[in-house]
Amino acid sequence: GDSVTQMEGPVTLSEEAFLTINCTYTATGYPSLFWYVQYPGEGLQLLLKATKADDKGSNKGFEATYRKETTSFHLEKGSVQVSDSAVYFCALSQGAFTGGGNKLTFGTGTQLKVEL
Amino acid sequence: EAGVTQFPSHSVIEKGQTVTLRCDPISGHDNLYWYRRVMGKEIKFLLHFVKESKQDESGMPNNRFLAERTGGTYSTLKVQPAELEDSGVYFCASSQEDAGWGNTEAFFGQGTRLTVV
Repeated sequence: GDSVTQMEGPVTLSEEAFLTINCTYTATGYPSLFWYVQYPGEGLQLLLKATKADDKGSNKGFEATYRKETTSFHLEKGSVQVSDSAVYFCALSQGAFTGGGNKLTFGTGTQLKVEL
Repeated sequence: EAGVTQFPSHSVIEKGQTVTLRCDPISGHDNLYWYRRVMGKEIKFLLHFVKESKQDESGMPNNRFLAERTGGTYSTLKVQPAELEDSGVYFCASSQEDAGWGNTEAFFGQGTRLTVV
């Protein structure tokens, strides 16, 4: 079945440092890829997504590129802020055309802590 | 516009008791999903409703779990009887109709933290 593997945390960075959170996936067909973020005390929010190979999703300074050849969707940000402290989840989804039902398959989540 | 709302936010129950979790999706969203995150592990799919019908319940762990969606609006997830391994955070999500490509955004609630002691 489909699966997502992401780097384990927690990750602790200083403010303005560069962030990379690795994510790789195993899936049949052509899934859509997502990064969700959970800030303390809140639900999951969609951070960005990419729906086909070589697409780049971006939002709030975060970026991730759908790399089919390496089955990866690494999350990056050039300069993190304290307010970016959260848990980040990589996920994929298969639509009805490929046998899925838009349900999400998640990785284990990576906790990020940004310090001053 | 109200987001996805889950009740209660926390629940602590004893092994063998019954607990019912509730989810109110975003109005107009036909798709409703339940997920669960056991401590430190990945968030796992439990089941998917389209309106009042169960579209996919392949992730339900066993028959102690019963999900319903009355009239295609809110949904409940009942655990009876609860076991220690049922502890975790239960998330509900809703989305609009998906065109079939699997790229429709899902909106999540804050989750219900269930602790079985």
